[in-house]
Amino acid sequence: GAGVSQSPRYKVAKRGQDVALRCDPISGHVSLFWYQQALGQGPEFLTYFQNEAQLDKSGLPSDRFFAERPEGSVSTLKIQRTQQEDSAVYLCASQLTQRDTQYFGPGTRLTVL
Amino acid sequence: AQSVTQPDIHITVSEGASLELRCNYSYGATPYLFWYVQSPGQGLQLLLKYFSGDTLVQGIKGFEAEFKRSQSSFNLRKPSVHWSDAAEYFCAVVTSSSSASKIIFGSGTRLSIRP
Repeated sequence: GAGVSQSPRYKVAKRGQDVALRCDPISGHVSLFWYQQALGQGPEFLTYFQNEAQLDKSGLPSDRFFAERPEGSVSTLKIQRTQQEDSAVYLCASQLTQRDTQYFGPGTRLTVL
Repeated sequence: AQSVTQPDIHITVSEGASLELRCNYSYGATPYLFWYVQSPGQGLQLLLKYFSGDTLVQGIKGFEAEFKRSQSSFNLRKPSVHWSDAAEYFCAVVTSSSSASKIIFGSGTRLSIRP
């Protein structure tokens, strides 16, 4: 079956622009995670959804970052007024239940100029 | 706080040679441990995982890892590497709570293969 997909794969934004990154999880997966991976680093947790409920947003670096999953399937990560330090790969992962493997999408590489 | 340390930033081995990538974790309870591989432009792929039971875990692509509680380690091994194994490898631990199982990743080890 299809894996986790993300779009766009690449995004270039000018500083100050708003961006929206989309994640399509594996069908039926209850949990959805967003991670941020800076160049040369491991991914870092941003936020977590169980169905449509955002249960943990402790990793969001500022109030410019906002995520939603209104129908418990597709999720969007929005970054307002982008800054250069937001440049990173944004990874989405979905998981059937808490003890199952998290399956990662290919990521969206965001470059802020 | 939970953490994962991968002391080797970059390792180069010859094709056909054996490989060991080091990983140390800091976690109070019994950890759930993982190794992921990331090739350029690709997403993270799970190589293997340890939840409980046998401390020697077999994974895909001929990889294995051994959980050693006394050393807080979960090193990844492969007896004979192939050129296609060149990639970034991440050790990770899951912090399990009642509502989430977010992953904490190490900073990664880049593996290069010498022909």
